Amino acid sequence: EDKVVQSPLSLVVHEGDTVTLNCSYEVTNFRSLLWYKQEKKAPTFLFMLTSSGIEKKSGRLSSILDKKELFSILNITATQTGDSAIYLCAVEVAGAGSYQLTFGKGTKLSVIP
Amino acid sequence: SQTIHQWPATLVQPVGSPLSLECTVEGTSNPNLYWYRQAAGRGLQLLFYSIGIDQISSEVPQNLSASRPQDRQFILSSKKLLLSDSGFYLCAWSPTNGHNNEQFFGPGTRLTVL
Repeated sequence: EDKVVQSPLSLVVHEGDTVTLNCSYEVTNFRSLLWYKQEKKAPTFLFMLTSSGIEKKSGRLSSILDKKELFSILNITATQTGDSAIYLCAVEVAGAGSYQLTFGKGTKLSVIP
Repeated sequence: SQTIHQWPATLVQPVGSPLSLECTVEGTSNPNLYWYRQAAGRGLQLLFYSIGIDQISSEVPQNLSASRPQDRQFILSSKKLLLSDSGFYLCAWSPTNGHNNEQFFGPGTRLTVL
């Protein structure tokens, strides 16, 4: 059974702090790992990672994948209250005729002023 | 550009009543379509996915069913709702171009079964 585990489940930090969110996985037929940010409703896409060791960066957010150790981290530097959200990690696996995502339970990040 | 719609946005139903949630996609053809449920503390769980009209795969045993009567329409149904069906239901689509899969989510439906 495919498994995606995120840690921590919940995190409270002060504005300006740097946070690291973790995602480990055990899946068959790995294709890619994706990070989403979910604020109130639907998740919005952050990053897609397919190769080990190549950092993806967008503003204060960055992410990297380690396919040997089967994990990814999402870093947020100089956090702001607008970063408060649930961050979801998902692993894409190749299925018969389609691609499926298996999601972790998410990390709830709260940034306090 | 592509857009994805879901309705209703919020629904409160009694136990044992039927359910029909609708999802439509605009601006693309032959998308892969997905239904997810997000229950409290359980993350996003894939319920169904579809690669074409009338082609539905179920990921978990449950009292829900899905149908795809048209290329860009995906419907989630139940004949008799259970309390455990409460949750946030998300529809998503992805292009069928054979490359890495980014899924785009609809706004979701909050279902409360009482």
